[in-house]
Amino acid sequence: GAGVSQSPRYKVTKRGQDVALRCDPISGHVSLYWYRQALGQGPEFLTYFNYEAQQDKSGLPNDRFSAERPEGSISTLTIQRTEQRDSAMYRCASSFRPTSARTDTQYFGPGTRLTVL
Amino acid sequence: KQEVTQIPAALSVPEGENLVLNCSFTDSAIYNLQWFRQDPGKGLTSLLLIQSSQREQTSGRLNASLDKSSGRSTLYIAASQPGDSATYLCAVNTGTYKYIFGTGTRLKVLA
Repeated sequence: GAGVSQSPRYKVTKRGQDVALRCDPISGHVSLYWYRQALGQGPEFLTYFNYEAQQDKSGLPNDRFSAERPEGSISTLTIQRTEQRDSAMYRCASSFRPTSARTDTQYFGPGTRLTVL
Repeated sequence: KQEVTQIPAALSVPEGENLVLNCSFTDSAIYNLQWFRQDPGKGLTSLLLIQSSQREQTSGRLNASLDKSSGRSTLYIAASQPGDSATYLCAVNTGTYKYIFGTGTRLKVLA
């Protein structure tokens, strides 16, 4: 089946605007993760969902960042009042089993490249 | 705090050469370690997943080893091809769902 998809693939916005980034995980995958990747760096964890429950949001940098997954499938990462330092690649990943398995492979989407002018 | 380092940061080799990419981590208490490949404009592709109880995993021309006690993993690529050109990332799972990534090795295989 299809892999993880993200939209938009590219987003350019002006400082102070709000943006919403969408992630559509692999069908049937229970767990969903958001990461942020700066240029030349590896991805850094932002938040994690188990079904619709946000289990961990410790990686969200501040309260301008929020995420939801209301029906346990598609997730939206929202950044309010964007700043230039928010510019990065935002990646979503999903895995099949609940985290108690701990051995599951995470499947990553292509990412959304956010540029804040 | 777990930190993951990858050496070298960039590597350029002629086609056909065997090569080794290195990954080191500071806390040996890991659940598993995963090697990913990152291509421009695409997602990360999982190459090999090594559980903490395993010493190595193989897939085709790729072989990954894990030495937990020394905090090291290596990815061995045999008979490299231009299509292997990509950024290779290692990531450790310390027993939660979070992966902690290294900064990656940018590999270029010259035809």
